[in-house]
Amino acid sequence: QKEVEQDPGPLSVPEGAIVSLNCTYSNSAFQYFMWYRQYSRKGPELLMYTYSSGNKEDGRFTAQVDKSSKYISLFIRDSQPSDSATYLCAMKGSGAGSYQLTFGKGTKLSVIP
Amino acid sequence: NAGVTQTPKFQVLKTGQSMTLQCAQDMNHNSMYWYRQDPGMGLRLIYYSASEGTTDKGEVPNGYNVSRLNKREFSLRLESAAPSQTSVYFCASSRTGANTGELFFGEGSRLTVL
Repeated sequence: QKEVEQDPGPLSVPEGAIVSLNCTYSNSAFQYFMWYRQYSRKGPELLMYTYSSGNKEDGRFTAQVDKSSKYISLFIRDSQPSDSATYLCAMKGSGAGSYQLTFGKGTKLSVIP
Repeated sequence: NAGVTQTPKFQVLKTGQSMTLQCAQDMNHNSMYWYRQDPGMGLRLIYYSASEGTTDKGEVPNGYNVSRLNKREFSLRLESAAPSQTSVYFCASSRTGANTGELFFGEGSRLTVL
């Protein structure tokens, strides 16, 4: 079993739809949870991060972490064509030595005008 | 406003050739990383440097070497390239102890090994 599982998609939605992206993980030591967005032929950029369980909202984006289920989600409200990208979940443990992020494989999202 | 700069952006090699990918960051970050990204495999860590003067292996270090030249620069060397090393390589940097997990990535170097 991979440490982080993420459905690669592709996922295609109409403009204005609510998008739900998800990852599951197996390592209970993970404490920090992130979502990166990667546009075609570009490097990933950090979109959201959450520490431990809970929700975090930033504009149209909401990140949720359920550590009891080892499940994280990213919701995009009122999706726009500019949201078309690959979304990568990532996570890491705590402690000063925890430099390594474990990434999901990414979900490719297309928002159709 | 350069951030993380990688060179070259594209490279084609023949099996057995060697090359070095260069990376430089101007954000005064202590930690730097090299990842490779392959279809269906996601991002995998090759090597990282927690601080100037230290380097450590990541998930897929075989066939690669790294040098942390100074605080700004972290290079990745392929001594004898193999077709399995065809990939997109990303350099990244972060502040030490960046618990937000915020890595700043370069735009990538696309390598093809024939």
